[in-house]
Amino acid sequence: EVQLVESGGGLVQPGMSLRLSCAASGFTFDDYAIHWVRQAPGKGLEWVSGITWNSDALGYADSVKGRFSISRDNAKNSLYLEMSTLRPEDTAFYFCAKDIFPFDSFGYLGHWGQGTLVTVSS
Amino acid sequence: DIQMTQSPSSLSASVGDRVTITCQASQDISKHLNWYQQKPGKAPKLLIYDASSLETGVPSRFSGSGSGTDFTFTISSLQPEDIATYYCQQYDNPPYTFGQGTKLEIK
Repeated sequence: EVQLVESGGGLVQPGMSLRLSCAASGFTFDDYAIHWVRQAPGKGLEWVSGITWNSDALGYADSVKGRFSISRDNAKNSLYLEMSTLRPEDTAFYFCAKDIFPFDSFGYLGHWGQGTLVTVSS
Repeated sequence: DIQMTQSPSSLSASVGDRVTITCQASQDISKHLNWYQQKPGKAPKLLIYDASSLETGVPSRFSGSGSGTDFTFTISSLQPEDIATYYCQQYDNPPYTFGQGTKLEIK
């Protein structure tokens, strides 16, 4: 069974940094692109970033470009999101999501974690 | 960036009704469109990919159509368990943008 478990969320002050992790199991991690999607409380979904199976970043939402960085460690079956210069508008649930097709198909978000809440507030 | 305009933002319908949601892309995205269902407190669930392909295990009352810039999502006969918010998402080009969502309620 595919499992994605996010961690690292919490309360952080504006301007500070935070690192989110996503631990994956139940599939061949190295074969799939993985993404971060966020959702502010009561709001819609926003794709944040994605990374290919061989660690090329697919890009970033304009709202986080230059502040967030995605990476993965295939040896640890883990995905990361380094977030810096955090703003109150970054407050959201952050989900990791896996593509349903391996290798060079991107954007089919077929398996999701339950999310981790990041709150940016003084 | 590609903008996705979804309508309506909310919809009230009766059990058994046919429900239709539309999504318009700001530029041609071929058939690179997904539809998701999200229930309160839960992660989204992929229902339709490539505009019209049904994800494994998804009931056949859900369907999608369209290509280019105009897309439609349909529930042929609304069931009580279909109450949720539905989102379209393009994956033609990053950033892979979502529509604003359609909140579906039972009348």
